[in-house]
Amino acid sequence: AQSVAQPEDQVNVAEGNPLTVKCTYSVSGNPYLFWYVQYPNRGLQFLLKYITGDNLVKGSYGFEAEFNKSQTSFHLKKPSALVSDSALYFCAVFNTDKLIFGTGTRLQVFP
Amino acid sequence: DSGVTQTPKHLITATGQRVTLRCSPRSGDLSVYWYQQSLDQGLQFLIHYYNGEERAKGNILERFSAQQFPDLHSELNLSSLELGDSALYFCASSGGGPNSPLHFGNGTRLTVT
Repeated sequence: AQSVAQPEDQVNVAEGNPLTVKCTYSVSGNPYLFWYVQYPNRGLQFLLKYITGDNLVKGSYGFEAEFNKSQTSFHLKKPSALVSDSALYFCAVFNTDKLIFGTGTRLQVFP
Repeated sequence: DSGVTQTPKHLITATGQRVTLRCSPRSGDLSVYWYQQSLDQGLQFLIHYYNGEERAKGNILERFSAQQFPDLHSELNLSSLELGDSALYFCASSGGGPNSPLHFGNGTRLTVT
């Protein structure tokens, strides 16, 4: 079965520092990978996707993700974190008419 | 604003009761997905409809059912409610297929007492 794993429940980073939120995937065939963000009491918001092509994908709010086939990873990154980036981040994989989410990583950015 | 509308925002009901959650997708989107989010289970896929037809089903309980109507809005029916059904229920819509991101509503928070 196709799945994604987010090994960290929480990531803490100081404002202005680079951030990375990790995701690994397990799929057969070509992966369709996504990152979403959830703010308190809100639905998930789409950040970026990898379908094919360049391994570095740029998305909303300055986020980007690097697809690494050999390591089966799709880590979310941002060069300089903002306090307003604090939220719950979900990695997801599209599999046979459904989007399967990881368990989520809470990002806390400290001033 | 994602363009996906879910009603009601909050619902409090008793065990054994039945409720209906409603979702209006973004204009032009043919796919509707339902998810359940609880603290201990994370974000669980329930069911996906495309243009009125069921396309995929997750670990949806037999007490739960859904449908998508000709005008593309969808309803999720939860019956014989149990305390463990308390959760946030999200609807999402997309144009269909793996290339189309899902756009989520703000959810319906269900509390079963």
